[in-house]
Amino acid sequence: DTGVSQNPRHKITKRGQNVTFRCDPISEHNRLYWYRQTLGQGPEFLTYFQNEAQLEKSRLLSDRFSAERPKGSFSTLEIQRTEQGDSAMYLCASSPSFLTAPNGYTFGSGTRLTVV
Amino acid sequence: AQKVTQAQTEISVVEKEDVTLDCVYETRDTTYYLFWYKQPPSGELVFLIRRNSFDEQNEISGRYSWNFQKSTSSFNFTITASQVVDSAVYFCALSEAQGGSEKLVFGKGTKLTVNP
Repeated sequence: DTGVSQNPRHKITKRGQNVTFRCDPISEHNRLYWYRQTLGQGPEFLTYFQNEAQLEKSRLLSDRFSAERPKGSFSTLEIQRTEQGDSAMYLCASSPSFLTAPNGYTFGSGTRLTVV
Repeated sequence: AQKVTQAQTEISVVEKEDVTLDCVYETRDTTYYLFWYKQPPSGELVFLIRRNSFDEQNEISGRYSWNFQKSTSSFNFTITASQVVDSAVYFCALSEAQGGSEKLVFGKGTKLTVNP
């Protein structure tokens, strides 16, 4: 168990560019989540996958955002036409069902996006 | 809608002092989970505790203790004999019970600084 891995750790991009982040969850976890955390705030839910199916999306996830989890393994989060307001830490987490996960989620270290 | 309020934005204490971090939550669910996470400067969210809504027993883990009171919708966290390594941002979070996405709703966090 190597934990949840996120790449890259940091990304600086120019406004209007597209960016893609990757999350590798703990291998036996079928649930995967993306959260966004802006400075001075708590993480906010973006979207949730159970295996390869994207089952819930927050209204925060505008049409410039898309997430995928092909084959129910790793996940990618793409932001198109980035805006300065997209600057944030993007956190990925994975979990089996709470029925078997008393500790809840395992979070990755996040990808910090800076849009200049 | 679910909501978590951490009224204390920042707390500063001197090492060895006791400190309590407040958390008040709102939910219409009768079954839910409450969490505390620690976020050190490195950014990774570290799980501290999960409590389900049917278990109001207080819990102690070393220098950490938690007081869950459904009557006041509060789930407060106390650190006894604080240490410099306790300096971090602490988040309280709420999740619906299993069956849905089990996403977390976070408070805005309390930044704790423990001075030597």
